[in-house]
Order: sequence, then C-alpha cells, then structure tokens
Amino acid sequence: DTEVTQTPKHLVMGMTNKKSLKCEQHMGHRAMYWYKQKAKKPPELMFVYSYEKLSINESVPSRFSPECPNSSLLNLHLHALQPEDSALYLCASSHIGQGQKNIQYFGAGTRLSVL
Amino acid sequence: KQEVTQIPAALSVPEGENLVLNCSFTDSAIYNLQWFRQDPGKGLTSLLLIQSSQREQTSGRLNASLDKSSGRSTLYIAASQPGDSATYLCAVGWGFSGGSNYKLTFGKGTLLTVNP
Repeated sequence: DTEVTQTPKHLVMGMTNKKSLKCEQHMGHRAMYWYKQKAKKPPELMFVYSYEKLSINESVPSRFSPECPNSSLLNLHLHALQPEDSALYLCASSHIGQGQKNIQYFGAGTRLSVL
Repeated sequence: KQEVTQIPAALSVPEGENLVLNCSFTDSAIYNLQWFRQDPGKGLTSLLLIQSSQREQTSGRLNASLDKSSGRSTLYIAASQPGDSATYLCAVGWGFSGGSNYKLTFGKGTLLTVNP
C-alpha cells in the first residue's frame, strides 16, 4: 500500500473560520511533509516532521499550525486565513534514510478556497 | 539558495515520438534528484529517483540521467503515448545526509501533451 490519504478533498472557508486538514499514511514512513501549490506553480514546502517532531518550518505564517499526533497522522490547522492562502495543499511522506528511501509519496491534496 | 529550472515549459508531440525533458539546478551539493508526474488538479506521482552518486536510472519507457557537476538532469520518454500527457516536475533533494533536514526544491515543470 503506497497510499497517502488526505481529507477533505475540497474546503471552502471564511477568513474567520477555523478548520483542519488531515493526512494519513500506513507505510511506516517517519517523515511527513506539507506543501502548498498555487495554480500553475510548483509545490512549495511548508513543514517537515521527522519522527513526529517538527524539523523544518519554511517561515510559514502562524495562521497555519501543523500537528503530528502519531507516526501515521499529520494535521494542518487553519485559522484566520487570507484569500491569498487559497491553493492546493499537498501532504507527502517518506522513509528517513538513504537512497530510494527518500522517495516521497503524495496525497491527492485538499483544494482550499478562502472567501 | 537552490534554484531549479525546467525547459521547455510546454511540449506537444505526436504519439510514438521519443522526447527529452530538461532540468538544471544552481547548487551541485545535492543529495538526490527526483522526477514526478502531476495530472491536472491531482497530487504528484514519483517516477524516478537518482542518487547523487548515480548517473542514470531507468523504469520502463523512462530514463533519467544526472550530471551533478554541471547541474543538469534529463528525463527521456520513449515511444510516447497520450496517457503520458501531464506536467513533469523535477525536484532536487538536499539537506544533511538525507536525514531530518532533507527537503525538495521543485522546478516549475514541463507541460507535456501527446497527441493521438
């Protein structure tokens, strides 16, 4: 099973709402990633968790709050977002180590619209 | 700062043609390089990963090469099919020994259309 599952697939929220994105994998991967992708642009790394600890934060605004409750689950909590935060949010996971272990497996993404 | 460039931005070919996609990067201190495919509105699918010590990697009709010293990689697709139509993204992996600081920097992609 090489599947990364993201929910919801689509999300519309107002600027005062609080919502969460969820990502789940059962491949035994100990690295999990959040990316943001705007239309016709490449994915941009937001956060990296390694062994359930935040290891990389790419200077993301605090209105995005990641959480890794266990080795299979990754959440992204959203609060007071701006319309420019509308994008496809992608989750990925991989093993930690050398060689082919670094292959990242991506979910289908959550399409977020902020009104 | 690592920058990744992909040429061409878009490519349209007839079915059956062999084609080459190009990727270049500015900092040769990379750990590996990955090629991904993305269908419209979807997530990414990993195609090939080349480690920095390798020169090429093959999977089916796909062959990726890496020249780390010159900062270049190519993805060769043989006998293209309409189902190959997608955006192809090159991503450079870098950080400390592939550990907890490992991360990918992506190019903007090449939009490939294979016409029947």
